[in-house]
Amino acid sequence: EPEVTQTPSHQVTQMGQEVILRCVPISNHLYFYWYRQILGQKVEFLVSFYNNEISEKSEIFDDQFSVERPDGSNFTLKIRSTKLEDSAMYFCASRPMGGLEQYFGPGTRLTVT
Amino acid sequence: AQSVTQLGSHVSVSEGALVLLRCNYSSSVPPYLFWYVQYPNQGLQLLLKYTSAATLVKGINGFEAEFKKSETSFHLTKPSAHMSDAAEYFCAVSRNSGGSNYKLTFGKGTLLTVNP
Repeated sequence: EPEVTQTPSHQVTQMGQEVILRCVPISNHLYFYWYRQILGQKVEFLVSFYNNEISEKSEIFDDQFSVERPDGSNFTLKIRSTKLEDSAMYFCASRPMGGLEQYFGPGTRLTVT
Repeated sequence: AQSVTQLGSHVSVSEGALVLLRCNYSSSVPPYLFWYVQYPNQGLQLLLKYTSAATLVKGINGFEAEFKKSETSFHLTKPSAHMSDAAEYFCAVSRNSGGSNYKLTFGKGTLLTVNP
């Protein structure tokens, strides 16, 4: 069964460093999302992406964040200069054309020290 | 704006007992509703969805949920709990927020413990 994959599973970085979180969505899906979950809190929407552009972003998704689909398979989230408060589990999700359900990857746990 | 409230951050049941996880939503337009399950160290797996067809929705692993518009609720039930049901359960609401976006808004989650 096709699934969304994410790498790495755990990333530790120092404050101020850049990180790139990688996702491979399900191959025939056209809508892509990033969510995050700070420990003990809700899963929060960050950004959605369709047709090679951002379709919606939340207040959290400020200028430090960017997304890219560099090729036909990968979908990346870049945090330019990490802060302690960026420590969270980051989930990638994808959705097919005509479908309403999103399929989630296993997540990347980002720890900023 | 849309929101989800899950009553009870932790629910504990005995094996074989009824599971009831509560979810109430707020949405200015007819919503689409979902339940996701997260097993330890895994991602979010879709259990079931309501997309304006039948109000009683059946999902995987014997779970079902009923959409009640008058109560703005979408509670998740399972007649008989199994040890393997122990996990965290998330209720989520979605609607078209423009450009066919359908972003999800999640509740805080309910941790289900099943006792032998």
